[in-house]
Amino acid sequence: DAGVIQSPRHEVTEMGQEVTLRCKPISGHNSLFWYRQTMMRGLELLIYFNNNVPIDDSGMPEDRFSAKMPNASFSTLKIQPSEPRDSAVYFCASLPIAGVTDTQYFGPGTRLTVL
Amino acid sequence: KQEVTQIPAALSVPEGENLVLNCSFTDSAIYNLQWFRQDPGKGLTSLLLIQSSQREQTSGRLNASLDKSSGRSTLYIAASQPGDSATYLCAVRNYGQNFVFGPGTRLSVLP
Repeated sequence: DAGVIQSPRHEVTEMGQEVTLRCKPISGHNSLFWYRQTMMRGLELLIYFNNNVPIDDSGMPEDRFSAKMPNASFSTLKIQPSEPRDSAVYFCASLPIAGVTDTQYFGPGTRLTVL
Repeated sequence: KQEVTQIPAALSVPEGENLVLNCSFTDSAIYNLQWFRQDPGKGLTSLLLIQSSQREQTSGRLNASLDKSSGRSTLYIAASQPGDSATYLCAVRNYGQNFVFGPGTRLSVLP
């Protein structure tokens, strides 16, 4: 298995532009998580999905952020409009089954820079 | 609200030393606790997972312990090697599926 796939790996954009980050979870995994990592705040959970349904989006910072999971093999995180403070590394992770012993598998991340 | 802290923030040791990383959490009603490793510019890789009913887990030179009542976990690394240099994060999974991560400990093992 190729693992969790994220694209792009690096994104540089200007303030006000729309940014779309993409994630393909491991095949067969039921849950998908979006995280943001910064030096100041560490790793923060933004939103997670179970069976393509958003369960908890309380970590989404504001209305400029939105996430979708149209099917079991694809998810997007969109920022519109982007701001310099959105600069961070965004990780996607997937989980096989919602059991006690299951571990998350992380993608390599997308490094976003908003100028 | 669950909060996770890790001590120390950074650690530098000579090769061969045994070392202990610490993780503390505020709400003991957890599902499990995991230790992850993160290399620069990379994602996280799971090292050990301890269920709430367990006291410890071992994998090779790594041993993780869990004391739910005191809200603490430790990661013990035996005979450290330069290849162990990375950031180590602990993550607590609450009931439901919410994961809360600590800020990490940056480890440097000097040859």
